[in-house]
Amino acid sequence: KNQVEQSPQSLIILEGKNCTLQCNYTVSPFSNLRWYKQDTGRGPVSLTIMTFSENTKSNGRYTATLDADTKQSSLHITASQLSDSASYICVVSPYSSASKIIFGSGTRLSIRP
Amino acid sequence: EPEVTQTPSHQVTQMGQEVILRCVPISNHLYFYWYRQILGQKVEFLVSFYNNEISEKSEIFDDQFSVERPDGSNFTLKIRSTKLEDSAMYFCASSGRQGQGINTIYFGEGSWLTVV
Repeated sequence: KNQVEQSPQSLIILEGKNCTLQCNYTVSPFSNLRWYKQDTGRGPVSLTIMTFSENTKSNGRYTATLDADTKQSSLHITASQLSDSASYICVVSPYSSASKIIFGSGTRLSIRP
Repeated sequence: EPEVTQTPSHQVTQMGQEVILRCVPISNHLYFYWYRQILGQKVEFLVSFYNNEISEKSEIFDDQFSVERPDGSNFTLKIRSTKLEDSAMYFCASSGRQGQGINTIYFGEGSWLTVV
């Protein structure tokens, strides 16, 4: 069964610190992996998209990595800011379907001043 | 930056009533989607729409649901006879300008539906 698992479920860090969020997936074959940021009660906002041939992609203070062999991805946030407090969701697209993207449960990140 | 807009932002309806959620996708996008997120749960795919017809749908998207693009700009989700378990945030999304590579899927802010 195609699944996307994220860890940790929640994380609290101090402002200015770095953190890394993990995503493991069993979707195979897969087309691409996306990381989204979702503020409470708002729609998800795309951070990065990676295909199976890409190992890393950055978007400002966000850097995503992908290991297609081990089916793992990570999202590294550098120099965290209070506005980074949100849920971060890993989303995987099966090769067979561009629409039926599979969402992880997300990691709830809280940044403390 | 262009955005997907949704109305209403919040709707309360009685069980058994019909509900229509409206969306204006980003202009020039070709693919349109509806997703839902029950409180505290994962976002789930409902349906995708391309070239004026449904291209894919999930098991959740049963006969009580329908989608329509009535006028070339709006994209609607209709729930014919709402049930308590339909209470959720419904996200509209769009993607895919002609010639674009891997498509970023842009989500709206959501319509929160409460069925009582």
